[in-house]
Amino acid sequence: KQEVTQIPAALSVPEGENLVLNCSFTDSAIYNLQWFRQDPGKGLTSLLLIQSSQREQTSGRLNASLDKSSGRSTLYIAASQPGDSATYLCAVGPGGNTPLVFGKGTRLSVIA
Amino acid sequence: EPEVTQTPSHQVTQMGQEVILRCVPISNHLYFYWYRQILGQKVEFLVSFYNNEISEKSEIFDDQFSVERPDGSNFTLKIRSTKLEDSAMYFCASRERTGANYGYTFGSGTRLTVV
Repeated sequence: KQEVTQIPAALSVPEGENLVLNCSFTDSAIYNLQWFRQDPGKGLTSLLLIQSSQREQTSGRLNASLDKSSGRSTLYIAASQPGDSATYLCAVGPGGNTPLVFGKGTRLSVIA
Repeated sequence: EPEVTQTPSHQVTQMGQEVILRCVPISNHLYFYWYRQILGQKVEFLVSFYNNEISEKSEIFDDQFSVERPDGSNFTLKIRSTKLEDSAMYFCASRERTGANYGYTFGSGTRLTVV
């Protein structure tokens, strides 16, 4: 059974810092991995999708990497801003129509 | 950008009552899902739906739950007799196809409070 773990559970950084959020998964047989952002009490906003054949994806200040063989993904946020404060969720797609498996998330606070 | 729309945003119901949560997936998407998130816990899969039938369901999705796509646009989750432990945020999601380059789009959720 696929298990997804995110470390750290919470992170507080000063504005302007670069930071890395970590995601690990137990079964490397995945189709893709998706990073989401969740604001308190709100829905899930997709940030980046990495296919299993890819090593990384970039969108603006965000860069996500995937090392399938070691069961790891990282989300790199450059030049963090207070507006980046949210919970970041990692979700693994096992393939086909098999449902996403989520981590518990990392709660990020960026202090002005 | 196309969105998944969920209504209502918040519903309060008494224990034992039936509730229907509604979703309008993205129009060209073929695969539909319900997930839930109990406060402070992981987002959990409930059910997937394709071609007008359930594809897969989790252990959570027991006989008290049902899903329906009554017309070409709506996708609903019904809980027949709500329990206190059904209190959670319920998310609808849709996906155009199941290939590796197709991600999920989630709605903004319905917060269900059972009292």
